[in-house]
Amino acid sequence: DAGITQSPRHKVTETGTPVTLRCHQTENHRYMYWYRQDPGHGLRLIHYSYGVKDTDKGEVSDGYSVSRSKTEDFLLTLESATSSQTSVYFCAISGIRGVVYEQYFGPGTRLTVT
Amino acid sequence: GNSVTQMEGPVTLSEEAFLTINCTYTATGYPSLFWYVQYPGEGLQLLLKATKADDKGSNKGFEATYRKETTSFHLEKGSVQVSDSAVYFCALTQGGSEKLVFGKGTKLTVNP
Repeated sequence: DAGITQSPRHKVTETGTPVTLRCHQTENHRYMYWYRQDPGHGLRLIHYSYGVKDTDKGEVSDGYSVSRSKTEDFLLTLESATSSQTSVYFCAISGIRGVVYEQYFGPGTRLTVT
Repeated sequence: GNSVTQMEGPVTLSEEAFLTINCTYTATGYPSLFWYVQYPGEGLQLLLKATKADDKGSNKGFEATYRKETTSFHLEKGSVQVSDSAVYFCALTQGGSEKLVFGKGTKLTVNP
């Protein structure tokens, strides 16, 4: 199993509060990603990182920011949580295996915004 | 742009039945194709992959063949088990990119 952990695993927060989710990897992979998973939408990319301090937006980045100050850690911040951000959040890392990149996923964080 | 379309679920089968989950894609060039599986309460796991036309990926009794002529990568298993109950995602990467494009997932339930 790829060494990816996410914290916290569950969180309930109130509308308007800031929330930070952490992803930690032990694989030293360059690429890291944050997705959200919602019924009927599958997985949608929020932000990704291609190196320390190098990040870019995905398809649903509004209301989210990220930071990567170390190779092993990728943080996702909801500056002011809204009920529409209730979701399951997955972190993933990507490493080359042969001729193709493979993504490995963390166990997920279930976030509820009340 | 690139996209993946997979059959709508949910799919419900009896144990030992044959499984097919359809997946078709739209992409330029030669994408790499993947199937991921998500068991209840867990993250996604790579199930199998194929990197060029006519390649067959296989793992845990599941198979999928990269068909460029039909732009398809259908997932099959000859005899499903209750433990195969999960959500299955078809995905692709394009041209050396590390970013995945996912289908919306198909939920499979296998009854004893």
